[in-house]
Amino acid sequence: SQQGEEDPQALSIQEGENATMNCSYKTSINNLQWYRQNSGRGLVHLILIRSNEREKHSGRLRVTLDTSKKSSSLLITASRAADTASYFCATDALGNNRLAFGKGNQVVVIP
Amino acid sequence: EPEVTQTPSHQVTQMGQEVILRCVPISNHLYFYWYRQILGQKVEFLVSFYNNEISEKSEIFDDQFSVERPDGSNFTLKIRSTKLEDSAMYFCASSFSLNTGELFFGEGSRLTVL
Repeated sequence: SQQGEEDPQALSIQEGENATMNCSYKTSINNLQWYRQNSGRGLVHLILIRSNEREKHSGRLRVTLDTSKKSSSLLITASRAADTASYFCATDALGNNRLAFGKGNQVVVIP
Repeated sequence: EPEVTQTPSHQVTQMGQEVILRCVPISNHLYFYWYRQILGQKVEFLVSFYNNEISEKSEIFDDQFSVERPDGSNFTLKIRSTKLEDSAMYFCASSFSLNTGELFFGEGSRLTVL
């Protein structure tokens, strides 16, 4: 089964800087999603990009998808302390919401 | 804003005991899911449920596990004869459709098996 793998694992940045995370996967997908998880909390959906899309924006988030390289990136611009969280990519192979999650990136935004 | 609610937030049980984790999905959602996250590991899919039956389940979801929607609002995960390795955070999620792709997750139920 496919699995997302994020890189880097941990990122520490100053408030106002941009944060970039990458994710790679192994098999073809229907869509790829990014979720945020604050420590000890549930997963919050951030953005979904479909396999026929290359880039998508939502507020300060920008996600790209390269299906030829089986990889995605999530960019958070002008980071805030409240962006401190773990970020997971998740792939959906068949459009059935059976998501395969990656290991997660821990992002710490220093005020 | 509607949300998925889960109870209990934390349950401690002895190995071999049965546990039931409860979830109230968002009211107009039609698809329901259980995922789990063992400490320090990936979030893993367990099962999806639609139209009062299981639509998909993973290899993890063996005969020890069962799900039920006993009424119009609750969605439960039962784990029979718990094992130490069942200790994890269990997340319930729901979605209105498959096409939107967005899952709404609850805050999770932490299960500790001693």
